[in-house]
Amino acid sequence: QVQLVQSGAEVRKPGASVTVSCKASGYTYTTYFMHWARQAPGQGLEWMGVFKPSGNTGYAQKFQGRVILTRDTSTSTLYMDLSSLRPEDSAIYYCSREAPGSGVFDIWGQGTMVTVSA
Amino acid sequence: QSALTQPASVSGSPGQSITVSCTGTSSDVGSQKLVSWYQHHPGEVPKVIIYEVNKRPSGISDRFSASRSGNTASLTISGLQAEDEADYYCCSYTPSKIYVFGTGTKVTVL
Repeated sequence: QVQLVQSGAEVRKPGASVTVSCKASGYTYTTYFMHWARQAPGQGLEWMGVFKPSGNTGYAQKFQGRVILTRDTSTSTLYMDLSSLRPEDSAIYYCSREAPGSGVFDIWGQGTMVTVSA
Repeated sequence: QSALTQPASVSGSPGQSITVSCTGTSSDVGSQKLVSWYQHHPGEVPKVIIYEVNKRPSGISDRFSASRSGNTASLTISGLQAEDEADYYCCSYTPSKIYVFGTGTKVTVL
């Protein structure tokens, strides 16, 4: 069964960092692009970045310098690190996969709630 | 890269057809092959309903169709049903090799 399972909810104080993981199973995840997006309460989906099979990354300009995507091939796990957190970073964070060149985010993780509060 | 522009809400009665627009620029929606649409029910994960501007994935109802004219993509839902009530997002690839979502549209079935 193809699935992406994300880590649990996190609470952080402003200025701190958070790491969200996304474990892939049921397919060869190193051959897919892995994306991250978020949805703040009452807001829309916001694309954050992509980790490519080559190991290269791409980030939305808004998150440049604050987000880092990494991969642990041995555990089929993708990581999203977001630093210098502010209250407006409170959101549900999703990982998803894309077959290279398809433009289709076909499998999504269940989402991870990150709350930033003093 | 700014979010693509969608109407905040669109509503219709059961059986009617509605259209959701998604306006970008000549660099993204207007020229990219990789324009897609996602349906997002609250509490669930987004689901792709249209890819490559106007193609439907296997298993998606043919009541969903899409097109593009200039810098605007459009999603049409025909024969509106209660289960179609959800948020809808367009998404486009960009020349920067990244993606951008639309602002999202809440579809209400009256």
